Amino acid sequence: EVQLVESGGGLVQPGGSLRLSCAASGFTFNNYWMIWVRQAPGKGLEWVANINRDGTEKHFVDSVEGRFSISRDNAKNSLYLQMNTLRAEDTAVYYCARLQFLEWLLSYYMDVWGKGTTVTVSS
Amino acid sequence: EIVMTQSPATLSVFPGERATLSCRGSQSVSSNLAWYQQKPGQSPRLLIYGVSMRAAGIPARFSGSGSGTEFTLTISSLQSEDCAVYYCQQYHNWWTFGQGTKVEIK
Repeated sequence: EVQLVESGGGLVQPGGSLRLSCAASGFTFNNYWMIWVRQAPGKGLEWVANINRDGTEKHFVDSVEGRFSISRDNAKNSLYLQMNTLRAEDTAVYYCARLQFLEWLLSYYMDVWGKGTTVTVSS
Repeated sequence: EIVMTQSPATLSVFPGERATLSCRGSQSVSSNLAWYQQKPGQSPRLLIYGVSMRAAGIPARFSGSGSGTEFTLTISSLQSEDCAVYYCQQYHNWWTFGQGTKVEIK
């Protein structure tokens, strides 16, 4: 069974740091680009960061650029999101998802999602 | 950034009737359009990708159509288990989502 399991969320003070992890199973992890998406309480979905298969290409939404970093360990089938200088507006459920390549459009969509981990930034 | 706008915000439909959800992009996304279903307390579930291609295990009552900037998700005969929030998403230029349409039973 294809599965993604996030961990590492919690309560952190403004300005603090957290590292989220995503454990992948049931598929060949190093064949896929991966992505983090977040959802603030009662709000919609927002792409946060993505990474290519070997970790050499990374992209971030403007609001987290310079504060968050994304990485992966293909030997451990794991994806990470390092979050620094956290703000109240970073409070959200963070999902990791697998990106599926669509050859005829040369684009990537999210086909498998984890259950998410909750990050709360508050004093 | 490509802005995706969904309508209506809430859709109330009788069981067995058709539900039609709309999604508009601020610019063309070609066929790079997906639909996701999210039930309370759950993560999003892929329904449709490439405008009209059903994901694995998705019932045939779900269908997608459209092109360019205008897209539609149709649930041909609404079932109680279809009550959820539905998001459209473009993946033509990075990834952005609509604000969601909540589907409820009338």
